[in-house]
Amino acid sequence: QVQLVQSGGGVTQPGGSLRLSCIASGFKFGSNAMHWVRQSPGKGLEWVAFIDYDAKYISYADSVKGRFTVSRDNSKGALYLDMTSLADDDTGVYFCARQQTFYSHPRIYYDKLDFWGQGTQVAVSS
Amino acid sequence: DIQMTQSPSSVSASVGDRVTITCRTSHNISTHLNWYQQRPGKAPKLLIFGASRLQSGVASRFSGSGSGTDFSLTIDSLLPEDFAHYYCQQSKSTPLTFGGGTMVDVK
Repeated sequence: QVQLVQSGGGVTQPGGSLRLSCIASGFKFGSNAMHWVRQSPGKGLEWVAFIDYDAKYISYADSVKGRFTVSRDNSKGALYLDMTSLADDDTGVYFCARQQTFYSHPRIYYDKLDFWGQGTQVAVSS
Repeated sequence: DIQMTQSPSSVSASVGDRVTITCRTSHNISTHLNWYQQRPGKAPKLLIFGASRLQSGVASRFSGSGSGTDFSLTIDSLLPEDFAHYYCQQSKSTPLTFGGGTMVDVK
């Protein structure tokens, strides 16, 4: 069955760095684009980053651009998020999520985040 | 960026009730709209994609409708496990954006 198991995270001071990992199993990881989504304490969901299946196309939320780097190692089934210059408002739970594309017609398709990791806590505090 | 306005922010209901949540987008997104359920301390779970398509394994009491800029999620005959947060999300373009969420709690 599809599984995304996250690790990394923890507590760091403002300006610090952390690396999050997301290890995939149960599907052909190299065939799917992946996302990172975060959730601040008691708040809603915020998209963070996207990486397509072969890492040729990557995009970031404006709030993390220039500070966060998403990468993947398809040979290991691994997705990463390297976070630098962390600030208080980066605190929250970070989720990795698999993007799956559903084709209802050759030229009509829908992207969905169909499997999510369990989440990992990041706390930035002085 | 496509802005998402979800309402209500919370709704109180009883087991067996029908609940409808709405989501409005700032731009026409056709039917590129997904709905997720999130229970406390858990990851979001995909319920509906493409505005009205039921994700595999999801109970048929969940349904979605709408296109363009106005969408809705309906839960027919609430069960105890349905008390949770619900989020809409547009998949038309990056940045992906989510609605602010709706908490469905016990009346």
